[in-house]
Amino acid sequence: GQQLNQSPQSMFIQEGEDVSMNCTSSSIFNTWLWYKQDPGEGPVLLIALYKAGELTSNGRLTAQFGITRKDSFLNISASIPSDVGIYFCAGHGGSNYKLTFGKGTLLTVNP
Amino acid sequence: GAGVSQSPSNKVTEKGKDVELRCDPISGHTALYWYRQRLGQGLEFLIYFQGNSAPDKSGLPSDRFSAERTGESVSTLTIQRTQQEDSAVYLCASRAGLNTGELFFGEGSRLTVL
Repeated sequence: GQQLNQSPQSMFIQEGEDVSMNCTSSSIFNTWLWYKQDPGEGPVLLIALYKAGELTSNGRLTAQFGITRKDSFLNISASIPSDVGIYFCAGHGGSNYKLTFGKGTLLTVNP
Repeated sequence: GAGVSQSPSNKVTEKGKDVELRCDPISGHTALYWYRQRLGQGLEFLIYFQGNSAPDKSGLPSDRFSAERTGESVSTLTIQRTQQEDSAVYLCASRAGLNTGELFFGEGSRLTVL
């Protein structure tokens, strides 16, 4: 089946630093999505990308849909303590209802 | 309701007992998913419901696991004869349409099997 390789697995950074994480796939996707999961909560959608090459921002978050449709990255600028959590990438094939998730990136921000 | 609602939020049970987990999706959302998340792990697909179509049960790990959904309403996930390896957070998500990957998750039901 489809698999997503998400990296890094975990990150420890200082408040104020920028963060970058990415996902790659052996298959192409029509949509890339990034979710964040706070401790004890369900994942919440951060950004959805619908077109190859698309670059989308949501506040301090920026995500891009790779030209090959096989990869995506998420950047967080000027990190703050509440950015702590697990970030998941997910790929969607379009009419297929299957959503494939990466294994997550655990972000820790030291104040 | 405003969001996906799951109950119970926490369940502790003894090995061998049956448990039932409930998910109330966002009103009007036709698609419903169940995922399992073991401690420190990613999301493991269990089952998918879309309207009145036959569900995709391909992710259910064993025949001890089953799920039901009537129409576009509440879903229940049942685990029979629970084992310690069933301990995990069980997440439910709903989605508005077929061609979007935008899932809305509940807060999950944390199951601990002693």
